[in-house]
Amino acid sequence: GESVGLHLPTLSVQEGDNSIINCAYSNSASDYFIWYKQESGKGPQFIIDIRSNMDKRQGQRVTVLLNKTVKHLSLQIAATQPGDSAVYFCAESDTGRRALTFGSGTRLQVQP
Amino acid sequence: DVKVTQSSRYLVKRTGEKVFLECVQDMDHENMFWYRQDPGLGLRLIYFSYDVKMKEKGDIPEGYSVSREKKERFSLILESASTNQTSMYLCASSPWGSTNEKLFFGSGTQLSVL
Repeated sequence: GESVGLHLPTLSVQEGDNSIINCAYSNSASDYFIWYKQESGKGPQFIIDIRSNMDKRQGQRVTVLLNKTVKHLSLQIAATQPGDSAVYFCAESDTGRRALTFGSGTRLQVQP
Repeated sequence: DVKVTQSSRYLVKRTGEKVFLECVQDMDHENMFWYRQDPGLGLRLIYFSYDVKMKEKGDIPEGYSVSREKKERFSLILESASTNQTSMYLCASSPWGSTNEKLFFGSGTQLSVL
């Protein structure tokens, strides 16, 4: 079946640096992508989403980039803060699927 | 803000017990979901519901059933709990027309089956 995967299970960055979390997907029909942040002991929280008719979308300190040619999605976090330490999930769907498909997650550790 | 509330944060049950996990949302969302989360496997969909008394199987429905008698409440039932059902269970909801888009999650129930 289709799958959504992440390149690195753990990413460690220095406070103040920019973070980039990557996600590869295999479903060429995927047309909606979303990032979630999950802090310890909490449920996933929405960060940002993007549709396939866009290449880039920006939020507050976050940017999502979509490269449909190579089926790659990335989440960029500017000026990473200790509060950004969490597990980040990407997920995707297409019009033929009834629900989101999630990746396995990347843990972001922010070093002071 | 949407609030999705799961009744228990931690549960410990014995093998063979019937287990009920309860979830309530307060935003009048039509769609509700149950996922389980295991290390290295991400979130996997068990069941979802797009209307009262309506349900659809997700990717891993075996060993589970669900009930949606009221719009705001979605229950996950483990008919006979087994140790391989030890996991974090996440409930989520979304408004009409977006079963495959942005979800609002509860805080999760960590279930241990001994």
